[in-house]
Order: sequence, then C-alpha cells, then structure tokens
Amino acid sequence: SQELEQSPQSLIVQEGKNLTINCTSSKTLYGLYWYKQKYGEGLIFLMMLQKGGEEKSHEKITAKLDEKKQQSSLHITASQPSHAGIYLCGADSGGSNYKLTFGKGTLLTVNP
Amino acid sequence: KAGVTQTPRYLIKTRGQQVTLSCSPISGHRSVSWYQQTPGQGLQFLFEYFSETQRNKGNFPGRFSGRQFSNSRSEMNVSTLELGDSALYLCASRGQVMNTEAFFGQGTRLTVV
Repeated sequence: SQELEQSPQSLIVQEGKNLTINCTSSKTLYGLYWYKQKYGEGLIFLMMLQKGGEEKSHEKITAKLDEKKQQSSLHITASQPSHAGIYLCGADSGGSNYKLTFGKGTLLTVNP
Repeated sequence: KAGVTQTPRYLIKTRGQQVTLSCSPISGHRSVSWYQQTPGQGLQFLFEYFSETQRNKGNFPGRFSGRQFSNSRSEMNVSTLELGDSALYLCASRGQVMNTEAFFGQGTRLTVV
C-alpha cells in the first residue's frame, strides 16, 4: 500500500521567514493534495497537483510535484501567524480507487 | 454552495454503547468517504461510498459500518465502543470525476469513557 512521509514533523519559524514542507511517496503519485488543518477541525483544501513538474501558487503558498512524481513540496513565503496549523499531504492510490492516503502531517508554528 | 456538514460535532459515549454519525456532502457530490484521525495513527481511511454502494473499505474491524442514502447523505456506525475508538471522525465528499479534490466536514469528536 502507498505510504506518504512528511518532513519535518514540526516546524517553528519567526514571522516573515520562508519555509518548506516535504512529502515523499513510496509509489508514483497520481494525484497529490495539500490540506491545512486547525487542531480539532476539518481539513481545508489548499492545492492539487497531478502532472510531473507541475507547480501551483495561491497567495504566499506554492506547491510543486517533482518530475518523477514521487515527491511534493509546499513552500510558504514570508510566513504569517495565520499560516500556523497542521499541513497534510494526501494522495490518490490510482486506478478507480477513490481512497486518499495521508501523511502524518507537519505542525507549523509561526511566532510573531 | 453549502459545504460538507457533519453532525453532531461532539459526542461522549460509554464503553459498550454504539454511536451513529451523520454526514451531508456538498450538493451534487456522490462520493462520501470517512476517516478516523488520532494523534498516534494520523488520518486513516475507513470506507468510501458512491451511489449507495461501498466501493472501498479500510482496515478496521466489523464494528465500524456505514451506509449511504439515495440523497448521498451518509452515516457511519460504531458498535460496542472501545476506549480506543475515541477520535476525530472526518467525512469528505468528492465529485464524480476521478482525481478531484475532496472537501472535508468539520468532523465529529467522539470521546469514549
């Protein structure tokens, strides 16, 4: 079965700093999703990547899917306290399987 | 349009009892999935329904079951509750097209005492 490993597990940054979160898959990624979660709440969809080399941006967050489609990165520029939360990557298993597999998440703290 | 709605938001049950959680997907979405989230295991897939049929099932005991109605609303049931069932249960809905984003509800926090 597919496994997603996220790094780092947690991250503390000063407001205004840039940061990167990585997600590595044990198998080829057919669809890679990034979500953000506030503790105890639901997941908020950020971005979806499907093609090798694809890069998407929304406000100060950029996500990339590498050419070999087994790794994705999420980059936040000029972090703000509002960026704090848990970031999760999720992936489709491929074929007609609608199951999403998730990484364990990265806890981001942004200090003002 | 309205998002994914889960009820109730919080629930406290006693060991041995059973519980039913409800999920109303985004209008037009026919795929509903359920996930269990715990600090130790993270997000784990329970099952997925599409047009009232269970298409995928995760590695959970038979005490965990679900169903989907003709209006795409879904329920999941946990019987004979154990302390280890305490978790945040999340429901997600997706459109009909493959490889589309899943939209999650706010979750139901279940505490078993």
